[in-house]
Amino acid sequence: DMLMTQSPATLSVSPGERATLSCRAGQSISDNLAWYQQKPGQAPRLLIYGASSRATGIPARFSGSGSGTEFTLTISSLQSEDFAVYYCQQYDQWPSWTFGQGTRVEIK
Amino acid sequence: QVQLQESGPGMVKTSQTLSLTCSVSGGSISSDDHYWAWIRQRPGKGLELIGYIYHSGSSYYNPSLRSRLLISVDTSNNQFSLKLNSVTAADTAVYYCARTILFEYYFDYWGQGTLVTVSS
Repeated sequence: DMLMTQSPATLSVSPGERATLSCRAGQSISDNLAWYQQKPGQAPRLLIYGASSRATGIPARFSGSGSGTEFTLTISSLQSEDFAVYYCQQYDQWPSWTFGQGTRVEIK
Repeated sequence: QVQLQESGPGMVKTSQTLSLTCSVSGGSISSDDHYWAWIRQRPGKGLELIGYIYHSGSSYYNPSLRSRLLISVDTSNNQFSLKLNSVTAADTAVYYCARTILFEYYFDYWGQGTLVTVSS
């Protein structure tokens, strides 16, 4: 299985500040990467697909970038509702799609 | 708006079979454009793809679960199901059903998830 490594495990950020989350693939996955947000007790929600395309209804403060093996999710100005766990997922290696272990964004 | 809803027992005894159903509304499970997936999340852990199925019955199973797993589709009732046999405490998890898009394969709609506890 393709290993997806997210860093850091926990990110402490003050409201209004910028958050930058990283995801690294074990080998090139082109731009076949998605990002999800998960809040406690809720299902994951799709934020970004194709490495940089925002899903329907996702605010513009969320942006994704990268290709190949290195990817970034940026939240430009953290709002209170953005404190959550974020997962990346590769869907390049068909049929086995894999997730990263997650980055928790917490209030500083 | 597509909605998915998991249903099934919240507790299963060790060595028995875990059975869940995902009911789909607001869209057809017979769509040519989608696969239907099961994903689980062990307590405090990340997300693990269990497997997925197409309306034709074509499916993929996670190799680590393949020997114990059956995913099936019921197009007449717009549902798909999961059966995992010989369960142990390691199968305790929140189980999600989700939709993925053919040739894209990210998960755009998810069920709310259901906690299944395996206990003796």
